[in-house]
Amino acid sequence: DTEVTQTPKHLVMGMTNKKSLKCEQHMGHRAMYWYKQKAKKPPELMFVYSYEKLSINESVPSRFSPECPNSSLLNLHLHALQPEDSALYLCASSQDLQSGRGYTFGSGTRLTVV
Amino acid sequence: GQQVMQIPQYQHVQEGEDFTTYCNSSTTLSNIQWYKQRPGGHPVFLIQLVKSGEVKKQKRLTFQFGEAKKNSSLHITATQTTDVGTYFCAGPKSNYQLIWGAGTKLIIKP
Repeated sequence: DTEVTQTPKHLVMGMTNKKSLKCEQHMGHRAMYWYKQKAKKPPELMFVYSYEKLSINESVPSRFSPECPNSSLLNLHLHALQPEDSALYLCASSQDLQSGRGYTFGSGTRLTVV
Repeated sequence: GQQVMQIPQYQHVQEGEDFTTYCNSSTTLSNIQWYKQRPGGHPVFLIQLVKSGEVKKQKRLTFQFGEAKKNSSLHITATQTTDVGTYFCAGPKSNYQLIWGAGTKLIIKP
């Protein structure tokens, strides 16, 4: 199994809603990531979990709250988002970046905030 | 801070023509990675280059890592419609963090 599975694939939410994005991998990777990607831009790192602990938070607003329940699962809890938060949210996993295998990305959640 | 510049932003080619994208880092890299993102899709890892002057081939794709380990290129010979997408280079900032180039979008002219 060499996949990263993300749900849902599409999400429309109002600015007062609370929703969660989910990510799962069974490759034994010890690092998991949340990225945000706007159209025509490269992915922008939000959070890194290494061995189930938050190791990097790229100054992301508190309306985004990550959670890593175990080594295979990663969630992103969303609350009180703004329309400018509309984007493709990508989950990825990897071993150490020196391993030669890079990141494995999920297919993403396309989020629209109305 | 550390930057990875990638050019061109877009390249329009006729099917069958060649395509090249270039990446230049402000600092020496321990390795460089290349990803492809199809329209509407997600980035897919293509390859990692580690050694100074390294050249690797994957069918019609040729990847090079410069002698100083600060620049890299991806060349596609005889493009096909399946090559359409955006190609990103990325270099490690830490064991888990990548610095991404802006990407080069390959467009096949009708």
